[in-house]
Parts: sequence; structure tokens; C-alpha cells
Amino acid sequence: TQLLEQSPQFLSIQEGENLTVYCNSSSVFSSLQWYRQEPGEGPVLLVTVVTGGEVKKLKRLTFQFGDARKDSSLHITAAQPGDTGLYLCAGRSGGGADGLTFGKGTHLIIQP
Amino acid sequence: DAGITQSPRYKITETGRQVTLMCHQTWSHSYMFWYRQDLGHGLRLIYYSAAADITDKGEVPDGYVVSRSKTENFPLTLESATRSQTSVYFCASRDRGNTEAFFGQGTRLTVV
Repeated sequence: TQLLEQSPQFLSIQEGENLTVYCNSSSVFSSLQWYRQEPGEGPVLLVTVVTGGEVKKLKRLTFQFGDARKDSSLHITAAQPGDTGLYLCAGRSGGGADGLTFGKGTHLIIQP
Repeated sequence: DAGITQSPRYKITETGRQVTLMCHQTWSHSYMFWYRQDLGHGLRLIYYSAAADITDKGEVPDGYVVSRSKTENFPLTLESATRSQTSVYFCASRDRGNTEAFFGQGTRLTVV
């Protein structure tokens, strides 16, 4: 069974601070995704990274895929209260219909 | 409305009863998935389907049954509900050749 370990599990910081969330595995993934989930809703895709070493930016969010495609990070610059939510990383090992392997998530709270 | 919808949103049932959670998508996506989300475990794959009449087990299939007679519907049945099946259940769909999965809003199931 492939596992994705996310850290930290919980993070509460002040508005304007920077933060990084990590997603690590001993397995190689063909692609890795980051989702954001708000209370009472399903996860919503933020980004997909496919190539080892790939970096993608989404406004103040920067996503990086490790060179060996086993790990990823999400960095938020100047966090805002609207960034509050559950951030999930998810990996796919194959290219077929198989589902995603999810990390347990990082609960992020940005205090005004 | 276009999208992926789950019903009911909330359900309370008694131990031993059969209960069916519904999932309907309007995009004609080939792949559909059922996950359960629990504190401390994150999202875990129960069953998935590559097309109508094709289903396969995920990580935690015991106690669940699925069917997919039509592309747009993917019901999940708990044949004899147990307290350990108390959870939030998410249905998702993804088009063949695409990496993005779209999630429903979830069904919160409580087994008493």
C-alpha cells in the first residue's frame, strides 16, 4: 500500500506569515495533486504536478514536485484568512481508472 | 444542474440495516469513485469504476457493494450497516485521459 505522509497535521498562523506544507512518500507517483477542502464540501483540485522537479504557481501558492517524484510541497506566501481550510495531497501511481491515494491532510487556520 | 451530486446529504440508520448512497454525474465521465473520510485516516478509496458494468475494489471495500448499470450513476450500498461505517462518503468522477477528479459534496452517514 502506498502511503503519503503530510506534515504538519495542524497549523495556525497569523495573517501575513508564510508557511510550507509537506507531502512525503517512499513510493514513486506518476502525478501528484493538491486539493483544498472546506467544511461540508468535497475536495477541490488546486494543481497537478507530473514532472520531477516541477514547480507551479497559483497566485500566492507555490507547488513543487520532488525530483524523484516521491514528495511535494505547498508554500503559501503572505497567508490570508481566506486560505483557511484542509489541504490534501493525493498521488496516482498508474494511468488507468485507479483512484487517488490521499494524505491525511493539513488543517490550516489563518488568523486575522 | 451540471456536475456531480450525492444524495442524501445526511443519513442516520440503525446497525444491520441496508442503506444506499446515490451518486449522479452529468459529464459522462468514464471513471467514478467512492471514498470515505474519517478523522485520522483521511480519504480512503472504497470502490472505483472504469465504465458501465466495470467495477473494482479499492483500499477498504469490505461491507460495501457497488453497481454501475449506467455511466452517470454509481450507487454505494452498505448491505448491513455497522457503527464502524459511520463516516463522510464522497463520490468523485474523472474523465478518461484527464487527471482532475471532481468530488460531490459528500454524504454524512451515522450508524447508531
